[in-house]
Amino acid sequence: NAGVTQTPKFQVLKTGQSMTLQCAQDMNHNSMYWYRQDPGMGLRLIYYSASEGTTDKGEVPNGYNVSRLNKREFSLRLESAAPSQTSVYFCASWVGQGSQPQHFGDGTRLSIL
Amino acid sequence: KNEVEQSPQNLTAQEGEFITINCSYSVGISALHWLQQHPGGGIVSLFMLSSGKKKHGRLIATINIQEKHSSLHITASHPRDSAVYICAVRRGAQKLVFGQGTRLTINP
Repeated sequence: NAGVTQTPKFQVLKTGQSMTLQCAQDMNHNSMYWYRQDPGMGLRLIYYSASEGTTDKGEVPNGYNVSRLNKREFSLRLESAAPSQTSVYFCASWVGQGSQPQHFGDGTRLSIL
Repeated sequence: KNEVEQSPQNLTAQEGEFITINCSYSVGISALHWLQQHPGGGIVSLFMLSSGKKKHGRLIATINIQEKHSSLHITASHPRDSAVYICAVRRGAQKLVFGQGTRLTINP
């Protein structure tokens, strides 16, 4: 089972460039999330989608946009990348209720020069 | 002050030792998660707790709701247990708030 698939795994951008991180899940989960992980800090929520057609801001949304394309896919877009957005990005999905855990992708390591 | 605090931040032990990692939180929660992140970066869920205790193999997780505290124990530790262990609390319907993680190294 694939679970949560993120692409790309690594990316280097120049300041000002744009890019989209892709995430897809095959578990029929309702909720999907984008986090960033920085050294010395816990995972921080950027945006989430509680269900298809809805998106909400998390703790650190500035500089990002998201699209819940369908129930499977949730993309994260950096319109004008900045060095402060250098981080490891994780996508996760969750059934949306009950005692099931979130499932995480393998992460995207993004460097902005 | 972070809403979720873990201790210790780093822990080095010898193979076979009993390991305890602590998590304290300062807010009301509906559930608490323990996650494991291996050096390759992938994150997997170990436990989700809302009360009491859970055991899976050599791993035991406990939570005391009144004390706002949880512990993750590893019995008979092994080098393959070396990883970052992350505590996260569920606030409201959707969001998780994460601790900074505890880096565990088990030496042979």
